[in-house]
Amino acid sequence: DAGVIQSPRHEVTEMGQEVTLRCKPISGHNSLFWYRQTMMRGLELLIYFNNNVPIDDSGMPEDRFSAKMPNASFSTLKIQPSEPRDSAVYFCASSSSRKETQYFGPGTRLLVL
Amino acid sequence: GEDVEQSLFLSVREGDSSVINCTYTDSSSTYLYWYKQEPGAGLQLLTYIFSNMDMKQDQRLTVLLNKKDKHLSLRIADTQTGDSAIYFCAENLTDKLIFGTGTRLQVFP
Repeated sequence: DAGVIQSPRHEVTEMGQEVTLRCKPISGHNSLFWYRQTMMRGLELLIYFNNNVPIDDSGMPEDRFSAKMPNASFSTLKIQPSEPRDSAVYFCASSSSRKETQYFGPGTRLLVL
Repeated sequence: GEDVEQSLFLSVREGDSSVINCTYTDSSSTYLYWYKQEPGAGLQLLTYIFSNMDMKQDQRLTVLLNKKDKHLSLRIADTQTGDSAIYFCAENLTDKLIFGTGTRLQVFP
């Protein structure tokens, strides 16, 4: 198995631009999680999906952030408009169910100038 | 509250044992995990322990669980420079993982 795939691996953009991060979970996994990691706040859960349905988005910072999962093999996290404080590493993880072990992708390193 | 606590740093000499500690909050957690994050990489699952166990050994790794004190530890025997990384413990609540702050392990020759 290829594991969780994320793209792009690195993104540099200017403040105000739209950013779209992509994730392909492990085939057969029903749960998908988006995390953000920063030095100041550590690892934060932003949102997670179960069977393509968003279950808990309480970690999403504000309305500028949105996430979708149109099918079982693809999810996006969008930031519009982006701000410098959004600079972080964004991880996607998947698991066979909400309670099972999560497997992480390599992350997308985002820098907003 | 949902707090998983770890010390921030640990420095050990190559060949010595490392012990990374973690305290968690919810006694109903079914699984407890250790993840490893190398520089520039994602989190890699190292090992996990089911809550009805008190010890699990996997090659150089030993996990000890003290449910009464809600304390979890990871012991790495014969620590190598390749073990230098950030180690996260995590508890599994009803439907999500709660991660600790991570312990940065530095191994020096």
